[in-house]
Amino acid sequence: DSGVTQTPKHLITATGQRVTLRCSPRSGDLSVYWYQQSLDQGLQFLIQYYNGEERAKGNILERFSAQQFPDLHSELNLSSLELGDSALYFCASSVDRAYNEQFFGPGTRLTVL
Amino acid sequence: AQTVTQSQPEMSVQEAETVTLSCTYDTSESDYYLFWYKQPPSRQMILVIRQEAYKQQNATENRFSVNFQKAAKSFSLKISDSQLGDAAMYFCAYRMRDDKIIFGKGTRLHILP
Repeated sequence: DSGVTQTPKHLITATGQRVTLRCSPRSGDLSVYWYQQSLDQGLQFLIQYYNGEERAKGNILERFSAQQFPDLHSELNLSSLELGDSALYFCASSVDRAYNEQFFGPGTRLTVL
Repeated sequence: AQTVTQSQPEMSVQEAETVTLSCTYDTSESDYYLFWYKQPPSRQMILVIRQEAYKQQNATENRFSVNFQKAAKSFSLKISDSQLGDAAMYFCAYRMRDDKIIFGKGTRLHILP
């Protein structure tokens, strides 16, 4: 158990819908990272937040957005869902910078039908 | 643009033998971090080893060690005394100065009993 929690574990929805994935980092970790793992694209870095502010942005679509709240939990919002958005979405946290060890959550499996 | 290449989609090794997984990367930065992550069938992402580019000494963690060749932009992972529990997908990752992280496509490692 890494100490990072993600909810829900599984999510099945239809195209065009909107979903919210939630992540709670390890106690004391200020940075939260979101990743998408799909079969054809591998593991893609989406976005990083540090203490409530966006720090780094990767290959995140405009239909996706994220935020980190004052209690440091983070949410990833996916809208206008497409079949290709089906993937495993990981959240990770670290104390500070990305060179510190990142602890990954168990992931949320999103299936878009 | 920075890229990470893992040229071996799959590898097999006999239990107790040694195996080396390859990773090459492309960057114009001089200061960066490299990582190897392991993803077993449980899908949990686990940090195996980390290397700071400014350190000439190769990182080691028990049975895991790296061969870091900065000039050649090569970062291979050596697993000694392979165990059945080492069977997993292994990802090489590069952390950029702005904290973005790029992953390779992964190498699936099979351990033969």
